[in-house]
Amino acid sequence: QSALTQPASVSGSPGQSITISCTGTSRDVGSYNLVSWYQQYPGKAPKLMIYGVNKRPSGVSNRFSGSKSGNTASLTISGLQAEDEADYYCCSHAGSDTYVFGTGTKVTVL
Amino acid sequence: QVQLVQSGTEVKKPGASVKVSCKASGYIFTGYHMHWVRQAPGQGLEWMGWINPKSGDTKFVEKFQGRVSMSSDTSITTAYLELSSLISDDTAVYFCAKFDSGNVPLAYWGQGTLVAVSS
Repeated sequence: QSALTQPASVSGSPGQSITISCTGTSRDVGSYNLVSWYQQYPGKAPKLMIYGVNKRPSGVSNRFSGSKSGNTASLTISGLQAEDEADYYCCSHAGSDTYVFGTGTKVTVL
Repeated sequence: QVQLVQSGTEVKKPGASVKVSCKASGYIFTGYHMHWVRQAPGQGLEWMGWINPKSGDTKFVEKFQGRVSMSSDTSITTAYLELSSLISDDTAVYFCAKFDSGNVPLAYWGQGTLVAVSS
C-alpha cells in the first residue's frame, strides 16, 4: 500500500485559485469515489475539508472543492486567503476497508 | 458533542511497548470504528488501521502485522493502540479518529499523542 502522490508545495497570491493533485492507482483512487481531503495546521489534528470526492462537510467554506478523473483526484481552493496556508492531505479508500493517505502538500499564500 | 481525548506523551526505549488510549464521548461508542493514524516528525499522515468496538474486529496495514494491537473497553468508551518492539522510526504523533454518520470519513480526531522512542 503506497502513499498517494501529491506535490510537495503549491503557492498562490491572495484571491487566486490553486489546485492540488493527488495521484493514486486503479486499486485506490481510480476504483472508489471515496477520496477525502484534510487540512492540517502545525501541531494540530487534521480537519476534514472534502469527502466523497466533492462533498463539503457542514461549516467548510465553499471556496474548497474537489474532483476526480481516473486515478487522480484534485482539491481546488478558490479566492485564496491567508488562513488557507496549511498542509493538505488527500486520502482514499484502498479496498478491504483500508485507507491510504497522500504524501501531503504545503500551501503557501504569497 | 463528539470528543476524542487521548492520553499524554510517552517516552520509551527501543524494544519497549507503548499503549495509547482514546476516550470517546458524545456518541454511541459501539456504532463506529475507531481509526488510528500516525505522523512522524515533519512527515505526512499514515493510516494504521481500525477497530470495531462492538465486535472487536480489527484491520491494519500489513507493515504493522505482529507489532500492533488495537483493543477497546466499551464500559468506559475507550479505544487503545498498543505498539510493541518499538524502534526510533515509531517516533510519531498518534491520532485516533472516527467517521461521522452518513459514512463521512475521519470527521472527528483526537488531539494526538506523542510517542518518542529514544535510548
